[in-house]
Amino acid sequence: SQQGEEDPQALSIQEGENATMNCSYKTSINNLQWYRQNSGRGLVHLILIRSNEREKHSGRLRVTLDTSKKSSSLLITASRAADTASYFCATDAINTGKLIFGQGTTLQVKP
Amino acid sequence: DVKVTQSSRYLVKRTGEKVFLECVQDMDHENMFWYRQDPGLGLRLIYFSYDVKMKEKGDIPEGYSVSREKKERFSLILESASTNQTSMYLCASSSGDLSETQYFGPGTRLLVL
Repeated sequence: SQQGEEDPQALSIQEGENATMNCSYKTSINNLQWYRQNSGRGLVHLILIRSNEREKHSGRLRVTLDTSKKSSSLLITASRAADTASYFCATDAINTGKLIFGQGTTLQVKP
Repeated sequence: DVKVTQSSRYLVKRTGEKVFLECVQDMDHENMFWYRQDPGLGLRLIYFSYDVKMKEKGDIPEGYSVSREKKERFSLILESASTNQTSMYLCASSSGDLSETQYFGPGTRLLVL
């Protein structure tokens, strides 16, 4: 079974709007990461948040982590057409320490 | 910046051929990974390596093998390619714990006819 699952599967917004994606996971984690993938390309790391952190910022990105609810959210503010991509959360499997990736949220930002 | 390169962006092979996918990283990372990505299935770990000559099976190792003779290079081998191995193959590397940030290559889209 997957450790992390993103919601929604797909999101379409207008340029300038905010985009929020959620990730839920099942077991305790050490950290949670968000990655972006442009169509047909490799994944690019966006942000890592550790289990003892609640919120983290990087430019227009804001990530929150609620370990009691086993969930995280990624907020992209003032979205741009260039933000169009798939976004994945990844959590570490507590027994093996390896990363497990969710299936991703596909974000479309319309100009 | 970390750079991870993969030998081919696109590859077309025939059923039964032996296929080599190569990955090279330039940041002296101990850990290297091979994933395949399929629509609706997300990223699935095939094999990983945490040191030279060390390899561990991931979630879907069947039909694949790997080689890590040098720290910077991790090869994925399809011993006898089959059509169900048509996929996007992604290589990644990382340093430290296996759960730390991974740096990905651009991917190889493999079509097996």
